[in-house]
Amino acid sequence: EPEVTQTPSHQVTQMGQEVILRCVPISNHLYFYWYRQILGQKVEFLVSFYNNEISEKSEIFDDQFSVERPDGSNFTLKIRSTKLEDSAMYFCATKGLAGVGGELFFGEGSRLTVL
Amino acid sequence: AQSVTQLDSQVPVFEEAPVELRCNYSSSVSVYLFWYVQYPNQGLQLLLKYLSGSTLVKGINGFEAEFNKSQTSFHLRKPSVHISDTAEYFCAVRDSSGSARQLTFGSGTQLTVLP
Repeated sequence: EPEVTQTPSHQVTQMGQEVILRCVPISNHLYFYWYRQILGQKVEFLVSFYNNEISEKSEIFDDQFSVERPDGSNFTLKIRSTKLEDSAMYFCATKGLAGVGGELFFGEGSRLTVL
Repeated sequence: AQSVTQLDSQVPVFEEAPVELRCNYSSSVSVYLFWYVQYPNQGLQLLLKYLSGSTLVKGINGFEAEFNKSQTSFHLRKPSVHISDTAEYFCAVRDSSGSARQLTFGSGTQLTVLP
């Protein structure tokens, strides 16, 4: 069964450091998303990405965050200078079909711990 | 904007007993509704979705949910649970009109099935 793969599964970093989270989408998927879940809180939308550009982003997705698909396969989330409050589980999701019927497939998540 | 309320953060239930996980939503526009399950150390997996048509939706693993527009609810039910159903369950909504395509999640309900 096709699946979304995320790396690393867990990363510990010092405050102020840059972090890159990687996602390998299902091969024919064209719509990409990042969500995050702070421990004990809701899963929150960060950003959606289609056709090599951001489609939508939430207020959480400030200038410290960026996304790209550098090599046509990996979809990355970069946090430029991490803060303590960036500690969370980050989920990548991808979708193949346009429109509302397409299902979002989620990866297993990358747990980020900022010290 | 939409919001989702899952009234119960934790639901313990004995094996083979029925269970209902409650979900209420608010939205000024029509929405699509989803239930996701998260098993320990895994990503989010779609259980079922309501887009249109019959208000009773059947999903995987014997779960079903009923969309009630007047009560703005989308409660998840299973007539007989198994130990393997122990997981976190998330209700989510997505705007069916306009440009918003991201999911808005509830805070989750931890279902624990006891032997």
